[in-house]
Amino acid sequence: SQQGEEDPQALSIQEGENATMNCSYKTSINNLQWYRQNSGRGLVHLILIRSNEREKHSGRLRVTLDTSKKSSSLLITASRAADTASYFCATGTGTASKLTFGTGTRLQVTL
Amino acid sequence: GAVVSQHPSWVICKSGTSVKIECRSLDFQATTMFWYRQFPKQSLMLMATSNEGSKATYEQGVEKDKFLINHASLTLSTLTVTSAHPEDSSFYICSAPIAGVTGELFFGEGSRLTVL
Repeated sequence: SQQGEEDPQALSIQEGENATMNCSYKTSINNLQWYRQNSGRGLVHLILIRSNEREKHSGRLRVTLDTSKKSSSLLITASRAADTASYFCATGTGTASKLTFGTGTRLQVTL
Repeated sequence: GAVVSQHPSWVICKSGTSVKIECRSLDFQATTMFWYRQFPKQSLMLMATSNEGSKATYEQGVEKDKFLINHASLTLSTLTVTSAHPEDSSFYICSAPIAGVTGELFFGEGSRLTVL
């Protein structure tokens, strides 16, 4: 399977703390994306990092990419209860937007 | 942002019946749409790529005759689960890319199918 793996599978933190999720993948990629999914809902795109980029920021999100290790991390700073969701990494290998999703990290942010 | 609408959001049916799920791009045209299946607390598994005006491309292990996909217009793709059985119960999600926006996918809200 080409599916990426994420760790941890589940993460519970308190509001205000930072949350870090890691993603590993197996094949060469064109880009890596992170998505968020609230329970029972569709996915929402968070951020895309291209294979020639090493770090990217968007608001409270910071994504890193290490193509030599085939890994990426998503950092959410100053977490909020509303950040509670599942987070998935997804890799793209071409321009056709066909993505392979990771196993996901379930984040719980408590007050 | 781009909007993808999926309908119905949930459906309960009896074994042996067929269920159709619609996926519409509301404010953009989608020549390609993707259909995923998701089991509880698991990741998304790509089932097929829906291509406007041509046959869908199915992933290995997905039964074409079981999961019929039709992409008759630039804004509508449908997934029909034929002769549904309890093991077909799942969360089905569609997504679509926007031409010129490389890689990013816009997702529908998903359809939860329960087969009794």
